Amino acid sequence: ETGVTQTPRHLVMGMTNKKSLKCEQHLGHNAMYWYKQSAKKPLELMFVYSLEERVENNSVPSRFSPECPNSSHLFLHLHTLQPEDSALYLCASSQSVQSFTEAFFGQGTRLTVV
Amino acid sequence: AQTVTQSQPEMSVQEAETVTLSCTYDTSESDYYLFWYKQPPSRQMILVIRQEAYKQQNATENRFSVNFQKAAKSFSLKISDSQLGDAAMYFCAYSYSGTYKYIFGTGTRLKVLA
Repeated sequence: ETGVTQTPRHLVMGMTNKKSLKCEQHLGHNAMYWYKQSAKKPLELMFVYSLEERVENNSVPSRFSPECPNSSHLFLHLHTLQPEDSALYLCASSQSVQSFTEAFFGQGTRLTVV
Repeated sequence: AQTVTQSQPEMSVQEAETVTLSCTYDTSESDYYLFWYKQPPSRQMILVIRQEAYKQQNATENRFSVNFQKAAKSFSLKISDSQLGDAAMYFCAYSYSGTYKYIFGTGTRLKVLA
C-alpha cells in the first residue's frame, strides 16, 4: 500500500463548482502538507498541519480551504476556482514538523479549471 | 533569501552512460539538508538522495551520487549507467535545520535515449 495516497488522480471542474481533494497517509506521520506544482515554477507550499492543527497558511486565497480531521487524513476543499488554479496538487507527510528530515509525497491530483 | 537554482531545464543521456544534473543554492545557514527528488510520469515525488551539510563525504545511493561543494554552494547529481526508468523530472531541494520547509528548484527533465 502506497505511503501517501491522493484521490482523485484527475479532476476537471467548472469555476462555480465545489470539489474536494483527499489525502491519506499510512506512515504514522504527524505532519501533512499541501503543495501546488505549476509548470516551470518551483513547488509552492500552501498549507501545513501538525497533529491536526494548521501551522502554516502561505497567503493562499480563501477559495482553497484545508481540513485535517486526524493525523492520517488531509482534505483540500475547492470552490469558485479560477483557470490559473489549474495545476498539480501534491500532498506530503513527514514524521513531524519539529524534527523534519524528509517528506513523503503522494501522486498528486491533476486539477483543471474550465 | 534562500534560493535553489537548476539551470538545465532539460538533459538527455544515452542508456548506460553517465549524466550530471546541476544545482546551486544560496543560504546563510550553516546547518541544512539538500535533496534530489525524482518525479516520474506517475507524478509521485520520490527521494533519490539526501545530503547533510555538516557531512563532508558525498552521499551515494547505488547508481546515484552527489558532488557536494559547500563553499561553492553546489550540489550536483550524477547518475551512472543510466536506465530507461531514470527518465523523469529531477528536483533539487533545500531545507535548513529546524524548519519543515523545502525550497525547490524548477526541475530538470531527464530523457534517456535507447
